[in-house]
Amino acid sequence: GQQVMQIPQYQHVQEGEDFTTYCNSSTTLSNIQWYKQRPGGHPVFLIQLVKSGEVKKQKRLTFQFGEAKKNSSLHITATQTTDVGTYFCAGLMNYGGATNKLIFGTGTLLAVQP
Amino acid sequence: GAVVSQHPSWVICKSGTSVKIECRSLDFQATTMFWYRQFPKQSLMLMATSNEGSKATYEQGVEKDKFLINHASLTLSTLTVTSAHPEDSSFYICSAPRTNIQYFGAGTRLSVL
Repeated sequence: GQQVMQIPQYQHVQEGEDFTTYCNSSTTLSNIQWYKQRPGGHPVFLIQLVKSGEVKKQKRLTFQFGEAKKNSSLHITATQTTDVGTYFCAGLMNYGGATNKLIFGTGTLLAVQP
Repeated sequence: GAVVSQHPSWVICKSGTSVKIECRSLDFQATTMFWYRQFPKQSLMLMATSNEGSKATYEQGVEKDKFLINHASLTLSTLTVTSAHPEDSSFYICSAPRTNIQYFGAGTRLSVL
């Protein structure tokens, strides 16, 4: 079945260092979405990328969608303790019907040491 | 923004009992809702797609008789874990899409003793 993998599984950084998580899908995606889940919380939508090669920025966060629409990355510049959490990519896949399904990546847990 | 309410947030039950979890879209209508399960330190696994007015679509490996889904209105979907066992203990999260963005409920942490 369709798989969406993320690396690394876990990253521990010092506050101020940069952080990147990579997302790879076994199939082409309609679009890619990124979510953040704080410990004990639920996923919160961050951004959606639709176009091949698209790059979007949100303050210190930079999101990229690969040219083949099978991979994506999230880069955080100068991490802060508030960035702690698990970052999930999620690929929107069309199964041929009216409903698109969101398949979540394996996630990357980010720990930031002050 | 869109809000999805999920209830209860935490439930502890005895083995063999059934537990119902509700998912409501508060300020928009959702003909489709999704149910996910998340084990500790793992990703969200899609269990089923809840369809208003028709049968739910279950992912491979998910027992439809064990996880009953009802989507009786455009704002409410329910997931009933029947004859719960300790291995069903998990974090269950629902979501409802609005313009291709998924809005998640706060989740239900189920502990089966």
